[in-house]
Amino acid sequence: AQSVAQPEDQVNVAEGNPLTVKCTYSVSGNPYLFWYVQYPNRGLQFLLKYITGDNLVKGSYGFEAEFNKSQTSFHLKKPSALVSDSALYFCAVRDGAGGSYIPTFGRGTSLIVHP
Amino acid sequence: IAGITQAPTSQILAAGRRMTLRCTQDMRHNAMYWYRQDLGLGLRLIHYSNTAGTTGKGEVPDGYSVSRANTDDFPLTLASAVPSQTSVYFCASSLLPPGQGLNEQFFGPGTRLTVL
Repeated sequence: AQSVAQPEDQVNVAEGNPLTVKCTYSVSGNPYLFWYVQYPNRGLQFLLKYITGDNLVKGSYGFEAEFNKSQTSFHLKKPSALVSDSALYFCAVRDGAGGSYIPTFGRGTSLIVHP
Repeated sequence: IAGITQAPTSQILAAGRRMTLRCTQDMRHNAMYWYRQDLGLGLRLIHYSNTAGTTGKGEVPDGYSVSRANTDDFPLTLASAVPSQTSVYFCASSLLPPGQGLNEQFFGPGTRLTVL
């Protein structure tokens, strides 16, 4: 079985400061991990994914995520937040061991960047 | 068009009425999905299709049906709408079926449905 948790409903950060949006997961086999962003009244947009290899994955809009197998985490990060980064962020996981092969999404974290 | 389109953008529906939400993609993606998004619950998979002619049930399929007669279209039907089906519905697609590749999903703009 696969599951994903986003422990924070909301993250507040000042513009220019680094940001972290947390994600932890549970799978039987190898995890395949994704981050998506949703701006108001829009569909989700893909940011980045981890399949294998380097634990630090770089994605769109200056975002990156760090895969940590021992902590079963895949936190989303950005060195310097912008007000325009304010949005809803979703983490998703797919279990490499099988099942439906369709990723399970977390409940989402609202990121608010203050000017 | 480019990407995924959904229609209507929003709809208010009386309980008991039948409703079909339309989804069309022009990317020749094999797999398509329907999700509902509810506050505090995130995205939940309703139905999916790995390829034209096949469909499967997701996490919350009750009260919904789908068909996949061709590659481009994946309509979602509510046979007899109930207030608990009030939600925002998103259609998505991916190039390969989930079991054949680790490609990301592309999402449509959503349909906001209110059932009274």
